[in-house]
Amino acid sequence: DAGVIQSPRHEVTEMGQEVTLRCKPISGHNSLFWYRQTMMRGLELLIYFNNNVPIDDSGMPEDRFSAKMPNASFSTLKIQPSEPRDSAVYFCASRLAGVGTDTQYFGPGTRLTVL
Amino acid sequence: QKEVEQDPGPLSVPEGAIVSLNCTYSNSAFQYFMWYRQYSRKGPELLMYTYSSGNKEDGRFTAQVDKSSKYISLFIRDSQPSDSATYLCATPNQAGTALIFGKGTTLSVSS
Repeated sequence: DAGVIQSPRHEVTEMGQEVTLRCKPISGHNSLFWYRQTMMRGLELLIYFNNNVPIDDSGMPEDRFSAKMPNASFSTLKIQPSEPRDSAVYFCASRLAGVGTDTQYFGPGTRLTVL
Repeated sequence: QKEVEQDPGPLSVPEGAIVSLNCTYSNSAFQYFMWYRQYSRKGPELLMYTYSSGNKEDGRFTAQVDKSSKYISLFIRDSQPSDSATYLCATPNQAGTALIFGKGTTLSVSS
C-alpha cells in the first residue's frame, strides 16, 4: 500500500520565484497536514485540512504561503514569491481522524532551497 | 516556553548501550504522547505512543510518562547501529487538530 507521496523531492529555486509543492495522502485518510522542518525551529505545523476543508492555518507564516486541497487525494502548498528564509524541508502527513490514536503518516518530504 | 522541549543532542553511544531520550512539556492537559523516529532524509514515523502516566514496552523500546513532573522518556535497550536516527517526542494539541513536536534528539550508535 503506497504511503504519502510528495513531489518534488528536491527543489532549488531563486528568490522571487513561485514554488509549488504537491502531496497525495494515503487513500481513505480524511485529514492532511503540512509541516515545515528547520534546524532552528524543528517541525512546525503550517496548515491542517479535515475532509478537504482548511481547519487551522495559524501556522502559515504569511500571505506568501497558500495551501489548497481540491479533493481527498491531492493537496498543494504554494509559496509566492519565495525567499531564502523559506529554505526548509516541507512534509505532508495524513491520518484517519477518529480512529485509535489518530496516527499521522508522513511523506518523505520536499527539500526546498531558495537562493 | 515552548510547549514541548527536547535536548537536540547529538547523543553518541556504543552498540549495546542503554539509551535514554527525554522531553518535558508545559501543559498538564496533554493526555497522550508519542515518539517518532526520523532517519536521515526521511519523514518521521511513529515508533510508540503512551497514554497518561506509566510505562509502555515494545521490544527493546520503553516509553515512560511522569505527569507529576511533566517528563517523557524513551529508553532503548541493547542499542543497535540501525537505531541511529533523530527521535522526536510529540503530543496532540488541546484542540486535537495537530501534533506538537519537540525539536528532536539525534542519536548515533556506533558498532
